[in-house]
Amino acid sequence: SQTIHQWPATLVQPVGSPLSLECTVEGTSNPNLYWYRQAAGRGLQLLFYSVGIGQISSEVPQNLSASRPQDRQFILSSKKLLLSDSGFYLCAWSGKLAGGQETQYFGPGTRLLVL
Amino acid sequence: DQQVKQNSPSLSVQEGRISILNCDYTNSMFDYFLWYKKYPAEGPTFLISISSIKDKNEDGRFTVFLNKSAKHLSLHIVPSQPGDSAVYFCAANAGGTSYGKLTFGQGTILTVHP
Repeated sequence: SQTIHQWPATLVQPVGSPLSLECTVEGTSNPNLYWYRQAAGRGLQLLFYSVGIGQISSEVPQNLSASRPQDRQFILSSKKLLLSDSGFYLCAWSGKLAGGQETQYFGPGTRLLVL
Repeated sequence: DQQVKQNSPSLSVQEGRISILNCDYTNSMFDYFLWYKKYPAEGPTFLISISSIKDKNEDGRFTVFLNKSAKHLSLHIVPSQPGDSAVYFCAANAGGTSYGKLTFGQGTILTVHP
C-alpha cells in the first residue's frame, strides 16, 4: 500500500533562517506531488505541484521554492523565512482508489512557527 | 477571489441526527469535487468525491449531492457520530480528475454532541 511521510512534524525557526521540509511517498511510482499550506483559521492553499523529477509548477509567488530530486521525494525550501511563512504545511500525492475514485492523499503535515 | 466557499464556519449537531455541510463554487470549469475531513495537527483524510456527470454519490453514512445549475454541493452524514467531529473541507478541480490544482474552501467545523 502507498504511504506518505513528512518531516519534521513540528519546527520552530527564527525569522531569516533557512527552511527545508521533506516529503517522501512509498508504494507508487511517478506520482503527482503537491505542497499545500494551511494558515491559521484558513483553508488549504496549493503552493507547488510536480508531475515528474525536476518539474515544478508554482501556484503562488512567495518566499518559498520546491524541488523534486527523486521520483518519490518532494522538498519545500526557503533561503530566509518570514513571519508570514508560519503555518501547517501538507504534502500530497494524486492516486486512484480501488473503487475508481481519484483523490489526493495527504501526509501528516509539518507545523512551522517562525518567530 | 474565493472560488470555493463554505459559508458556515461551524455546525453543531446532536448524535444520531443528520449533518449537512454546504459548499458553493463560482468557477464553471470545475467538474470534480471532493470532501475531506481533518483533525487538528493531522493531514486531511479523503471522504468522498463526485464527478459533474453525477448528481449524487453515496458511501456508507456519507452522501454528496451536486447541483450544477446552482453551483452548489453538500455533504450529508447520517447518522452523525461524535467521532465525526472535525473540520470538513470541500475541494474542486477542473479536468474531471483530482490531478492538478485542487481549490479548497475555508472549512466548516462540525461538532457532534453525544
